[in-house]
Amino acid sequence: QKEVEQNSGPLSVPEGAIASLNCTYSDRGSQSFFWYRQYSGKSPELIMSIYSNGDKEDGRFTAQLNKASQYVSLLIRDSQPSDSATYLCASSNTGGFKTIFGAGTRLFVKA
Amino acid sequence: DAGVIQSPRHEVTEMGQEVTLRCKPISGHNSLFWYRQTMMRGLELLIYFNNNVPIDDSGMPEDRFSAKMPNASFSTLKIQPSEPRDSAVYFCASSFGTSETQYFGPGTRLLVL
Repeated sequence: QKEVEQNSGPLSVPEGAIASLNCTYSDRGSQSFFWYRQYSGKSPELIMSIYSNGDKEDGRFTAQLNKASQYVSLLIRDSQPSDSATYLCASSNTGGFKTIFGAGTRLFVKA
Repeated sequence: DAGVIQSPRHEVTEMGQEVTLRCKPISGHNSLFWYRQTMMRGLELLIYFNNNVPIDDSGMPEDRFSAKMPNASFSTLKIQPSEPRDSAVYFCASSFGTSETQYFGPGTRLLVL
């Protein structure tokens, strides 16, 4: 069973702090990794994708990938209350067609 | 663009009834995905199509579920007969070409009594 594991949280951080979200995956054949944000009652929205080891930065978001450890993380700098949502980690080994999602980590950013 | 369109947005039905969920992907997208999301199981891929052809339906829970994509702009997910354990939010998503970015529709909240 190919799985993506996340801590369900909730993770609570004060406004302005760094939020760190973590994820592990079991399929060593996975080549593509994604972070989706899902607000309560809304649909998932892609915020970051990463394909090679190392860091990838986009604004306040940094995705980190370590294939040897089968570990993916998302850092959110200067967290804002509007970042409060569930963050879904996902992986794919088929060019994005068959994407496996983790259960999600709930993040609360306190004003 | 209007994004991925799903209908109905909410559906309440009784056990044993047929349920049909509809999806219109983003124009020009050639891959379409059906997902189901529950608190217990998270977001699960049910089936995906590429160029209107079903590629992988291994996520379809059982024979009561079926999906079709008769053309590039329309897909249906049918549950017959429906059961209370089918209650969930059903999402449709689409993507273009080799892009791995999937765009999700607003979802259909299904409640089977």
